Amino acid sequence: DSGVTQTPKHLITATGQRVTLRCSPRSGDLSVYWYQQSLDQGLQFLIQYYNGEERAKGNILERFSAQQFPDLHSELNLSSLELGDSALYFCASSPGQGALSNQPQHFGDGTRLSIL
Amino acid sequence: AQSVAQPEDQVNVAEGNPLTVKCTYSVSGNPYLFWYVQYPNRGLQFLLKYITGDNLVKGSYGFEAEFNKSQTSFHLKKPSALVSDSALYFCAVRGGNTGGFKTIFGAGTRLFVKA
Repeated sequence: DSGVTQTPKHLITATGQRVTLRCSPRSGDLSVYWYQQSLDQGLQFLIQYYNGEERAKGNILERFSAQQFPDLHSELNLSSLELGDSALYFCASSPGQGALSNQPQHFGDGTRLSIL
Repeated sequence: AQSVAQPEDQVNVAEGNPLTVKCTYSVSGNPYLFWYVQYPNRGLQFLLKYITGDNLVKGSYGFEAEFNKSQTSFHLKKPSALVSDSALYFCAVRGGNTGGFKTIFGAGTRLFVKA
């Protein structure tokens, strides 16, 4: 058990809809990362938050947004969904940055999003 | 720019034989290097990391990796493969000094261990 909790495990919705994916990081971890994993594109980094602030941005679409709350849980919002957004979405957490940036990330088991 | 290459999409090995999963990287400064494993319907699990020091790093489940600075490689190895090692393996790199906060993952290598 990684200690990272993602909900829901599965989500089925239609094109044009909006969904919210939730992540609770491992106890004590301040950094949260979001990734998208699809069959043809591997693991794509979307965005990172550290203690409530955005720290790094990857290949995140403008239709997607995220935030990290004071209790350190994070949400990834996906809107105007398209068929191509069907994928596994992973959240990971790590202790922090700076001297702690050499620590590994711990991954949740993901949310499988299916767009019909 | 940071990058990671896993040149093999798939590696096949017989149970009991040694295995190697290759990884090369490009990063400014001293790199932090990681290996992760992913089993079906699960998130990535951390196997081992190289930060500094001894070039041979030992990790979970009998895996080890060798850091080679001159060849910018960080190959994952195991002396004797098990069928249960069959999974998807990811190499990852983070720039130690100037790489910022991003961790870059390779495309993954699928390992098949045949009984």
